[in-house]
Amino acid sequence: NAGVTQTPKFRVLKTGQSMTLLCAQDMNHEYMYWYRQDPGMGLRLIHYSVGEGTTAKGEVPDGYNVSRLKKQNFLLGLESAAPSQTSVYFCASSLSHKQFFGPGTRLTVL
Amino acid sequence: AQSVTQLDSQVPVFEEAPVELRCNYSSSVSVYLFWYVQYPNQGLQLLLKYLSGSTLVKGINGFEAEFNKSQTSFHLRKPSVHISDTAEYFCAVSPANSGGSNYKLTFGKGTLLTVNP
Repeated sequence: NAGVTQTPKFRVLKTGQSMTLLCAQDMNHEYMYWYRQDPGMGLRLIHYSVGEGTTAKGEVPDGYNVSRLKKQNFLLGLESAAPSQTSVYFCASSLSHKQFFGPGTRLTVL
Repeated sequence: AQSVTQLDSQVPVFEEAPVELRCNYSSSVSVYLFWYVQYPNQGLQLLLKYLSGSTLVKGINGFEAEFNKSQTSFHLRKPSVHISDTAEYFCAVSPANSGGSNYKLTFGKGTLLTVNP
């Protein structure tokens, strides 16, 4: 099992550009999450999904959109990137309370 | 809503010394409690969790934590640390009642444990 994988690992964007981060899990988990990690801030929940075709807002959803068209995939989109979105993004999945994390995507917005 | 406070942002210790990383939480409902560890340039992995039962919880790599409901704390301890324990440690909570949306975690800001030789 690969567990939770994230694509890409690194990305540099210019302000105003768009991109999609892909998260995939092979554990048949119902629940998936996107977090951002910033120095001294811990992890903050951006959006989450409780099943295929469903999404919900987390703590810091502004500037992001998500889609869960397939159970194994959870996409995070930035429509118009801003420097404030420079961060490390983590995806996670779970069956219940134990979350499994991907390795992260380091995004820099210039 | 829940919140988590990790009282120390950095904890330096010498190898083989004991360590305690402190975590306090605030919640209007019953909670489940977790400690996650993040090694450099990696994702997070679960160290231990408290869902119910004994308030002393043992986890991987010799770590343990004690749930204290009256003090709303969940401090992490290890009697003797190794260089390889150098990492960032995150305390987290989620509401105790079951259901998909209640599996969301609220994290503390993290404690960087540095073990020196």
